Amino acid sequence: NAGVMQNPRHLVRRRGQEARLRCSPMKGHSHVYWYRQLPEEGLKFMVYLQKENIIDESGMPKERFSAEFPKEGPSILRIQQVVRGDSAAYFCASSPRLANTDTQYFGPGTRLTVL
Amino acid sequence: GENVEQHPSTLSVQEGDSAVIKCTYSDSASNYFPWYKQELGKRPQLIIDIRSNVGEKKDQRIAVTLNKTAKHFSLHITETQPEDSAVYFCAAYLPGGGNKLTFGTGTQLKVEL
Repeated sequence: NAGVMQNPRHLVRRRGQEARLRCSPMKGHSHVYWYRQLPEEGLKFMVYLQKENIIDESGMPKERFSAEFPKEGPSILRIQQVVRGDSAAYFCASSPRLANTDTQYFGPGTRLTVL
Repeated sequence: GENVEQHPSTLSVQEGDSAVIKCTYSDSASNYFPWYKQELGKRPQLIIDIRSNVGEKKDQRIAVTLNKTAKHFSLHITETQPEDSAVYFCAAYLPGGGNKLTFGTGTQLKVEL
């Protein structure tokens, strides 16, 4: 049973380019969460999605950031016109169903470096 | 607002000693409290969790206690080993925060030989 998959594991972009981060949840999981972790800091919630729905995007910057979880395929976190401050590790996690006691399992993360 | 506070931010213990990390939360409706361990450059990994219908849970050298009245929970690691060195994050589901996990700021645990 494969765990949460993320790709790419490392991504280098120049300022102004777009970054696309992908997350495939664990089999049977229909809820995906994205977190950002700055160097030597904690995990900050960004967005929570179900298939074809954004449930909570309260942690996501209003500009340049967007997320989707289509009916088919992985969840995608998109960052447009990246800036150096976007450099961080982006983790996604998945859980099986909507409940406030469900365990979240994390993917290996994508480390974004903006030059 | 809803938050989770974690202390200490760094903890250094001698191998074989116990380590205790404490967290407090703000929403009395919270009912799920996981702990994650994150090694350098790796993903956070769930090591133990507790739900609000119990006050304590143990798994080998790791235990978690929950005091719902005081709204705090703690991670206890006994007989620490060098491989326990990592950053530990507590988290809580805060219903008032949209049914998502809110994480503490992390504790860097160092187990010295």
